[in-house]
Amino acid sequence: KNQVEQSPQSLIILEGKNCTLQCNYTVSPFSNLRWYKQDTGRGPVSLTIMTFSENTKSNGRYTATLDADTKQSSLHITASQLSDSASYICVVSAQTGGSYIPTFGRGTSLIVHP
Amino acid sequence: KAGVTQTPRYLIKTRGQQVTLSCSPISGHRSVSWYQQTPGQGLQFLFEYFSETQRNKGNFPGRFSGRQFSNSRSEMNVSTLELGDSALYLCASSLSGTGNHEQYFGPGTRLTVT
Repeated sequence: KNQVEQSPQSLIILEGKNCTLQCNYTVSPFSNLRWYKQDTGRGPVSLTIMTFSENTKSNGRYTATLDADTKQSSLHITASQLSDSASYICVVSAQTGGSYIPTFGRGTSLIVHP
Repeated sequence: KAGVTQTPRYLIKTRGQQVTLSCSPISGHRSVSWYQQTPGQGLQFLFEYFSETQRNKGNFPGRFSGRQFSNSRSEMNVSTLELGDSALYLCASSLSGTGNHEQYFGPGTRLTVT
C-alpha cells in the first residue's frame, strides 16, 4: 500500500529561525514528489515539484530535497516569517501506464511566533 | 489570469440527499482533479478528468461521480449523502495533468451533512 508519512506533526518556531520538515514515502512506481503550503481555509499552493532525477529544488526561502534511494524528502524553510504559518503537505505520485495517482501525507502544521 | 473557482463555497445538506459541486479551471487548463479533505483522513484523491474523460480514479465508492464539459468545467456529484461525507472538497486544474505539471487549487467547497 502506498503511504506518505510526515514529521513532525506540528512545529512552533520563532520568526527568523530556520526549520526542516520531513517526508518519508513508500510509493511505487515513483513519478514525482510535491510540497504544498495550505493556509487555513484555503486551497493548497504548490511550492516545489521534483522528479526522480532531481535532488534539490528551491522556491525563494523554501528548499526541498529528495533522496530517491532512501525514499525521503525534506522541506527547509529559511528565515521564517509570520506568513509561513500554515500546513505543509507532501504528496507523492505513482505512475502506472498513463495514470498518475497521488498519495498525500497528513501534513506538518507550522506556527511561527513573533 | 483568473484562478480556479469553485461553487458553492459552503453547503449544508441532510443525510440521504445528493449534492453537485462545480469547478471552473484556469483558462487553457484541460485537466481537473477532485480531492476530499477531512481532519481524520487528510487529503484524498477522488478522480481526474481530462478532455471530458475520467482518466484516474481514487478509492472512493460509486456514490462519488463526476464529469467534465467541453469547456473543461467540471462537476462532482455525491449521491445518498452520509455524515462522513462532511469535508472540504477541493478541485485543482493543470495544463495536461500528466503528473509533472503544476496544479492550481481552488478555494474549496465546505460540505456539511447533518
